[in-house]
Amino acid sequence: DQQVKQNSPSLSVQEGRISILNCDYTNSMFDYFLWYKKYPAEGPTFLISISSIKDKNEDGRFTVFLNKSAKHLSLHIVPSQPGDSAVYFCAASEGGANSKLTFGKGITLSVRP
Amino acid sequence: KAGVTQTPRYLIKTRGQQVTLSCSPISGHRSVSWYQQTPGQGLQFLFEYFSETQRNKGNFPGRFSGRQFSNSRSEMNVSTLELGDSALYLCASSVVWNTEAFFGQGTRLTVV
Repeated sequence: DQQVKQNSPSLSVQEGRISILNCDYTNSMFDYFLWYKKYPAEGPTFLISISSIKDKNEDGRFTVFLNKSAKHLSLHIVPSQPGDSAVYFCAASEGGANSKLTFGKGITLSVRP
Repeated sequence: KAGVTQTPRYLIKTRGQQVTLSCSPISGHRSVSWYQQTPGQGLQFLFEYFSETQRNKGNFPGRFSGRQFSNSRSEMNVSTLELGDSALYLCASSVVWNTEAFFGQGTRLTVV
């Protein structure tokens, strides 16, 4: 049972436009969410996180939105740059003693110059 | 500040052998987690250590084990290797649990 789902395997956007990456989850115990970016043959790089007590968190060009009632979060990248081309993983944690990260399968973002 | 360091970066082993992977966390980080990444299954949690104690374990067979030392460095061991164990093994460290986890570059294990 996949508890974190990234239903679109890929996304292609024009440089300068907005990239919106979506993520859905099924476990209502998740209370901490993270986005990671990954290049081939490298480990994931932490991008941004959000706690369930918030509905938005912003860091530079990256904004994460959380809709708890819909069990949905999204990552907005504005403006998109060619260097943003990578695989993006959504991850979630129940927190407390059960702090393991459950990852989605990732979405490949391609930003066209 | 040095990042998470994993050694070795690449490893080729034969079926039936065992392997030990090493992870040095970021200085000051006491939580170390291990993940397996494969094309079909994505990133899957193996186990987490905090202050030398295993706090969480994923759904992997007992052939996968780990430990953490007093300096927070961690090792994971896979015994009786199978072809399906070929994967990128990633280590992540964080200050305490439920904070941002920072990943190393991984160890690419190939079992032939």
